[in-house]
Amino acid sequence: GQNIDQPTEMTATEGAIVQINCTYQTSGFNGLFWYQQHAGEAPTFLSYNVLDGLEEKGRFSSFLSRSKGYSYLLLKELQMKDSASYLCAVRYNTDKLIFGTGTRLQVFP
Amino acid sequence: DARVTQTPRHKVTEMGQEVTMRCQPILGHNTVFWYRQTMMQGLELLAYFRNRAPLDDSGMPKDRFSAEMPDATLATLKIQPSEPRDSAVYFCASGLGLAGPQETQYFGPGTRLLVL
Repeated sequence: GQNIDQPTEMTATEGAIVQINCTYQTSGFNGLFWYQQHAGEAPTFLSYNVLDGLEEKGRFSSFLSRSKGYSYLLLKELQMKDSASYLCAVRYNTDKLIFGTGTRLQVFP
Repeated sequence: DARVTQTPRHKVTEMGQEVTMRCQPILGHNTVFWYRQTMMQGLELLAYFRNRAPLDDSGMPKDRFSAEMPDATLATLKIQPSEPRDSAVYFCASGLGLAGPQETQYFGPGTRLLVL
């Protein structure tokens, strides 16, 4: 199978930094996505990595190591509105995405 | 602004009834995906289309589920007969199907289905 593993829940404090990890099987890898999903809403695109290294987008950064089958999403200067689920998704052929079950992040004041 | 639309947003039905969900992809997108999301299983791909042709429906229970694209602006997902275990949120997503960041999938708001 193509298991994607990420922690179920995480908590953090407003203003802090949090790192959400994701591991996946490397065979056939063709790109990794991070999506944010607020409760009761649709997933929205955050970031995309296909090469090793760090992609930075404002307060959010995503890192990829293809050889290790590992990615993380880094959220800086946490805000209350960042409380959401964060979904790691891997593309194994041209279009198909396999999603992890998501990490529910709660940000406390 | 361009977005994926889905109807209905909510559906409550009784076991055995037919359910039809509709999706209008973003204009110009040539790939359409149907996903089901539950607390237990997360987001699962049911089927997807490129240029209206079905490419993969391996995630879909064949005996009761069917997905079609009658035209480029409409995708449908039908369940007949529906069962309580089908209760979930069904998302449609569309994408350009190109290499690179353009391959992002854009999700619709979902149809929340409850089968009693």
